Amino acid sequence: QSALTQPPSASGSPGQSVTISCTGTSGDIGGSIYVSWYQQHPGKAPTLMIYEVSQRPSGVPDRFSGSKSGNTASLTVSGLQAEDEADYYCSSYGGSNNFAIFGGGTRLTVL
Amino acid sequence: EVQLVQSGAEVKKPGESLKISCKGFGYSFASYWIAWVRQMPGKGLEWMGSIHPTDSDTKYSPSFQGHVTISVDKSISTAYLQWSSLKASDTAMFYCARYPYSFDYWGQGTPVTVSS
Repeated sequence: QSALTQPPSASGSPGQSVTISCTGTSGDIGGSIYVSWYQQHPGKAPTLMIYEVSQRPSGVPDRFSGSKSGNTASLTVSGLQAEDEADYYCSSYGGSNNFAIFGGGTRLTVL
Repeated sequence: EVQLVQSGAEVKKPGESLKISCKGFGYSFASYWIAWVRQMPGKGLEWMGSIHPTDSDTKYSPSFQGHVTISVDKSISTAYLQWSSLKASDTAMFYCARYPYSFDYWGQGTPVTVSS
């Protein structure tokens, strides 16, 4: 059960859009609707931003969107704001033998 | 309002045992898996394992199987994570989270420091 693969860093200027990728296998991302994304600010607990590939919990701005193609999921943040600067993690459920797995995390910097 | 409230910070010596807790409020505790997640200093999130309060069905990450024990007492809406013999490498922040196949609500975290 290897970690999902994320780029270690991403950046963008205020107002721009940035996309973070998360690559797995057919045993996790490729075969699951349960792909999710989390935001973590320094010293804080993570918060859920996207669940079931593209669903936003109430309270999450619609600037955050999720998608999936094959074994790769993506998180897009549009209209970047300073408060979006944080670490972002993807996760997937892949059935009983692959119950939960995280990506290594991506640090998003707003320039 | 859904809340997960974790026990407080711990400072332990190598070889000591430890049990930390996570109490759920504001929802039907027995209906959702509870997961434990480790975050070592400056590192990413790692799923350790999950337990279902209804029947105590437990899933462990291969990386943590045999090193920790996850348990639950549904009568008091509380899940536990325990070690029988801590190592310095167990120093980390530990989070519990509700897990309907995404980690939708998180506890505040329990920092554990293991040092001689």
